[in-house]
Amino acid sequence: AQKVTQAQTEISVVEKEDVTLDCVYETRDTTYYLFWYKQPPSGELVFLIRRNSFDEQNEISGRYSWNFQKSTSSFNFTITASQVVDSAVYFCALPINAGGTSYGKLTFGQGTILTVHP
Amino acid sequence: NAGVMQNPRHLVRRRGQEARLRCSPMKGHSHVYWYRQLPEEGLKFMVYLQKENIIDESGMPKERFSAEFPKEGPSILRIQQVVRGDSAAYFCASSPGIAHGNTIYFGEGSWLTVV
Repeated sequence: AQKVTQAQTEISVVEKEDVTLDCVYETRDTTYYLFWYKQPPSGELVFLIRRNSFDEQNEISGRYSWNFQKSTSSFNFTITASQVVDSAVYFCALPINAGGTSYGKLTFGQGTILTVHP
Repeated sequence: NAGVMQNPRHLVRRRGQEARLRCSPMKGHSHVYWYRQLPEEGLKFMVYLQKENIIDESGMPKERFSAEFPKEGPSILRIQQVVRGDSAAYFCASSPGIAHGNTIYFGEGSWLTVV
């Protein structure tokens, strides 16, 4: 069965520190995608990234970077030089792969609450 | 470039009343999903719909909850005879299709409070 574990319930950092949010997943699928979403205090869910299991290259987008390690089933998210606006709950998610197609039935981790203090 | 639109953003209902939550998917998206976020349980899938069809309702409670996505108009999540335990954030999401790995975009959520 699909499972996503975000072991860090809460992380607190001071502005400009780097912070890494961990995500470990379980799947029997050989092909899969992984997602990260951000939920700021205003409540909406914001898409951050989608990663294909074929591609293990690290991805960087501004201050955000993602490290995908298939060997350890991890898809960790790093924020460099954190800012107060990064304070949010961050979710890692894995779609259910149903017979070769995967629709929007996502399994979410429990989320990591990140607080960035000024 | 409208995203997934949900309304109302906040809804207060007394126990026993009905709650109706609406969702308009992103332009060009014909697949809609509803999720519920409860403090103790996190984000959980409820139902997947295409126009006029329910494809997967494995996450829907068996009673009082229903969903539809008519040919015209938004998708509706309907909760009859609400109870306090229904208080939660309900998120709608959409995608353009079911190709493996389609990005799923979420709306801003509807916060239901049952008093």
